[in-house]
Amino acid sequence: QVQLVQSGAEVKKPGASVKVSCKTSAYIFTTYHMHWVRQAPGHGFEWMGIINPSAGSTSYAQKFQGRVSMTTDTPTSTVYLELTSLRSEDTAVYYCASGHVVGASLASWGQGTLVTVSS
Amino acid sequence: DIQMTQSPSSLSASAGDRVTMTCRASQGIANSLAWYQQKPGKAPKLLVYAASSLESGVPSRFSGSGSGTDYTLTISSLQPEDLASYYCQQYYITPYTFGQGTKLEIK
Repeated sequence: QVQLVQSGAEVKKPGASVKVSCKTSAYIFTTYHMHWVRQAPGHGFEWMGIINPSAGSTSYAQKFQGRVSMTTDTPTSTVYLELTSLRSEDTAVYYCASGHVVGASLASWGQGTLVTVSS
Repeated sequence: DIQMTQSPSSLSASAGDRVTMTCRASQGIANSLAWYQQKPGKAPKLLVYAASSLESGVPSRFSGSGSGTDYTLTISSLQPEDLASYYCQQYYITPYTFGQGTKLEIK
């Protein structure tokens, strides 16, 4: 069973930044692409982007361009999501998920990280 | 962006019933379609990928079908533990997009 372990809940003020981590095994880190998806109350799921941990290459949803950054730390097999210029609409549960061996379905998910943006 | 429309938004059925839910894409997605199950307070779980391939470990009462723009998830004999919300997702073109979900209740 693939394990993705995310960092804990965050509370941020509008305009601040947040960085969420997702730690996995070395095998998963070097084999599969990693996605970030968020689920806001009443807004369903939003795909934010994808990173290839081996190459460091990324592709972001246009909606988040300029505010999002996905990075990796190879020694610890950890991927990071950073979102800047936070606003109340960014309040959501943020998930990392590993890609599938076939196509880009999301095979395994982290437990989720609640990010609350409030003044 | 490709819009994914699920129906119904909610449904109620009894244990043992056959349950079907649908997902329609705003354009053809060449079977690049996944179904997920999400139980309250939990992360989603992949059930079906490539429209009709059952993920390893998923009970065989779940099945997916469809092509082009129209896809279906069927539960052949509903079990109490199937209480959950179900979401479709297209991964044909980025940004990958999700349906708004079908909430399944057990009578």
